[in-house]
Amino acid sequence: SQQGEEDPQALSIQEGENATMNCSYKTSINNLQWYRQNSGRGLVHLILIRSNEREKHSGRLRVTLDTSKKSSSLLITASRAADTASYFCGCDNAGGTSYGKLTFGQGTILTVHP
Amino acid sequence: EAQVTQNPRYLITVTGKKLTVTCSQNMNHEYMSWYRQDPGLGLRQIYYSMNVEVTDKGDVPEGYKVSRKEKRNFPLILESPSPNQTSLYFCASSTRRGNSPGNTIYFGEGSWLTVV
Repeated sequence: SQQGEEDPQALSIQEGENATMNCSYKTSINNLQWYRQNSGRGLVHLILIRSNEREKHSGRLRVTLDTSKKSSSLLITASRAADTASYFCGCDNAGGTSYGKLTFGQGTILTVHP
Repeated sequence: EAQVTQNPRYLITVTGKKLTVTCSQNMNHEYMSWYRQDPGLGLRQIYYSMNVEVTDKGDVPEGYKVSRKEKRNFPLILESPSPNQTSLYFCASSTRRGNSPGNTIYFGEGSWLTVV
């Protein structure tokens, strides 16, 4: 897998259901940041989880991080049609000169049907 | 309100005509960078800047220039645009990492650039 690779590529659910998206990475990270992007718009920051954290919550969002498996998941509970968007994980790679740089995957396209 | 502002948001230009995409942040961030987003390739970093007068190449710098004369501004310059630079461009900023394991990176709304 590449650094910051999301899975699945596309997810289609009904309103009220939970949506789970996964992110895998190859090399050690300082933190991992999840973003939402509505079609053709900017990236909206959702949650940052640091390498020494295992779980974070923000409203209906829950992010977990398993550094032993080099993976993270984003759970959106009780989804709404307004959650329809692309979701990206950005990896802040440990070491090196990755100043203010995130490595992104292709994203997961989430569609929530009313 | 914390913001990263890019201009223009939409631009159609012709091959070879120099253009500049401006970026400004109001959060006093040290780090700024530019990304481009392309279908099937995701977001890739073009250039970054650690502070005023300090810039360096990212993953895909060819065909681009940047400058950082002021802390708040980080313009992206296409000296001679070509059709393969048609893309969605994002400016981003964040505070210095220091001893902390990273800080939130804020993105602008994006600039759609088409080169014909």
